[in-house]
Amino acid sequence: DTVLTQSPALAVSPGERVSISCRASEGVNSYMHWYQQKPGQQPKLLIYKASNLASGVPARFSGSGSGTDFTLTIDPVEADDTATYFCQQSWNDPFTFGSGTKLEIK
Amino acid sequence: QVSLKESGPGILQPFQTLSLTCSFSGFSLGTSNMGVGWIRQTSGKGLEYLATIWWDDDKYFNPSLNSRLTVSKDTSNNQAFLKITSVDTADTGTYYCTLTTVVTGFAYWGQGTLVTVSS
Repeated sequence: DTVLTQSPALAVSPGERVSISCRASEGVNSYMHWYQQKPGQQPKLLIYKASNLASGVPARFSGSGSGTDFTLTIDPVEADDTATYFCQQSWNDPFTFGSGTKLEIK
Repeated sequence: QVSLKESGPGILQPFQTLSLTCSFSGFSLGTSNMGVGWIRQTSGKGLEYLATIWWDDDKYFNPSLNSRLTVSKDTSNNQAFLKITSVDTADTGTYYCTLTTVVTGFAYWGQGTLVTVSS
């Protein structure tokens, strides 16, 4: 299976820029998607196919990357962005998720 | 607007069969390129992809659970179904159904239904 590696946690202050990384154990072309999950809620799609903003998602969120290295960027960060962020690939079988990066807003 | 909602038994015993229903609105599984994907979130494995059923009745399963999974749909009534046979405690978790397409990943998620396997 394709393993997606994310750093476990980050802490930033409001107004700053934060980059959350996801590294795949093998190439996934551009088929990397990003989700936000707040406590007690279901995940929500933020970015699809590496760099496409999902409907209704603020332009503060952006994605980049291809192949094995991908980044989700939030700029500027707001207090409401406190959540866990997951990457997910849909290029290799089976589809897999990263273990998530917990973002704390100081 | 798209909405999905999962329903299930809540609690079941080891070796039983888990049956889940996804009731949705705002899209049709009769429309090209639409699919309903099933994902679960457990304390042991985090988010885990289970299966997808597509508009043309094509089905795809996670090979690690393939032999235990069944997916089906009722297009007329806007429902999709997941069955997992012979459950054990490792199947305890929250189960989500999603609207999926090839391009967008899992675009919309239901609120999830908690399933507990316990004797």
